[in-house]
Amino acid sequence: DGGITQSPKYLFRKEGQNVTLSCEQNLNHDAMYWYRQDPGQGLRLIYYSQIVNDFQKGDIAEGYSVSREKKESFPLTVTSAQKNPTAFYLCASSWGPGYTFGSGTRLTVV
Amino acid sequence: GQNIDQPTEMTATEGAIVQINCTYQTSGFNGLFWYQQHAGEAPTFLSYNVLDGLEEKGRFSSFLSRSKGYSYLLLKELQMKDSASYLCAVRDDYKLSFGAGTTVTVRA
Repeated sequence: DGGITQSPKYLFRKEGQNVTLSCEQNLNHDAMYWYRQDPGQGLRLIYYSQIVNDFQKGDIAEGYSVSREKKESFPLTVTSAQKNPTAFYLCASSWGPGYTFGSGTRLTVV
Repeated sequence: GQNIDQPTEMTATEGAIVQINCTYQTSGFNGLFWYQQHAGEAPTFLSYNVLDGLEEKGRFSSFLSRSKGYSYLLLKELQMKDSASYLCAVRDDYKLSFGAGTTVTVRA
């Protein structure tokens, strides 16, 4: 079955540590996206990539980094520079107007 | 930039109809989407409008007026399982921008 896999589902990070969230898709979609969601809020765009080896900052890119070395993979690193990283992170991919979302990773700083 | 507004909360009775409005001001427009999101889960696609008018899909309908920057999602014959957050989203050339979401509570 085609889809997007995000792992892990739950992630705990100590303050000052970097952590990487995985996003893999087997839909053969060119574009991939990372969103952050805080309680009671909508999704805010962190980074997006239209094609392999290229990516663009979204609305809240500070404290995050990404790579797009393969079409199927778009990992997100939450760095220690991100001051408030506790949130629900969603990865998505698209071909044309429609988006497919992964099941999300809930990151908690302890 | 993108500005997408929708009400924060709505409450309705099982079997009733609820209309969720969405107004937008965006730098580009390539379609408006409605998603349903249950707590702790990923959004699921409900509808897509790119031309003016009404799109009907079972109990859910969505309307778009591009000249007014306005859309609504109509949920008919409400069921308890419809209690969720409903997200309005607008696509420009490259990306999807979301409103804050409307939490709908269905009461028996």
